[in-house]
Amino acid sequence: DTAVSQTPKYLVTQMGNDKSIKCEQNLGHDTMYWYKQDSKKFLKIMFSYNNKELIINETVPNRFSPKSPDKAHLNLHINSLELGDSAVYFCASSQDRGQFSEAFFGQGTRLTVV
Amino acid sequence: AQKVTQAQTEISVVEKEDVTLDCVYETRDTTYYLFWYKQPPSGELVFLIRRNSFDEQNEISGRYSWNFQKSTSSFNFTITASQVVDSAVYFCALSDGNTGKLIFGQGTTLQVKP
Repeated sequence: DTAVSQTPKYLVTQMGNDKSIKCEQNLGHDTMYWYKQDSKKFLKIMFSYNNKELIINETVPNRFSPKSPDKAHLNLHINSLELGDSAVYFCASSQDRGQFSEAFFGQGTRLTVV
Repeated sequence: AQKVTQAQTEISVVEKEDVTLDCVYETRDTTYYLFWYKQPPSGELVFLIRRNSFDEQNEISGRYSWNFQKSTSSFNFTITASQVVDSAVYFCALSDGNTGKLIFGQGTTLQVKP
């Protein structure tokens, strides 16, 4: 069983489109995250939810909107996609708010905007 | 401000050599956690180790060992008798004590040649 699963793994889309990435964790964790990895491999947090409550919103454009229907799911919706949104997006989860326990990552979603 | 620096961008070794990956961090938190993650060519992020700021004992797991030195704010990672399968990007990370977000270093790309 995959602990943190994201779909799709690859996403190619045109500028201006709206797309969603889904994430589910079956670890029973309370906190979920979205991280972005750019072309230079740099990883940076975007959002964090704890028990469906947004706790981190790290200066991400309003075009990005996370949605957590329950604590096992955290989806990422992106409006009006731009070329600069091309990156690998990782979902992750951790047992607490992340201060003490390790985060488990999904396999990543490679988004290419053309 | 919290920061993680991995000064080595790329390292290339020949199989069976020992290699050390450096990590230096900055934080004002008195309690914090440090992590290492591995990102193989397949792209997923694999958790390797977590260390809390009160535990300065070195850790060994098979061919992997970690040296945490609070006095120099370093958390270095050594691979003994490297193997081709160790080829990956390795990330050092620090957790924010309030939000739990991970602050990643820039990553070190390790290439182990046969």
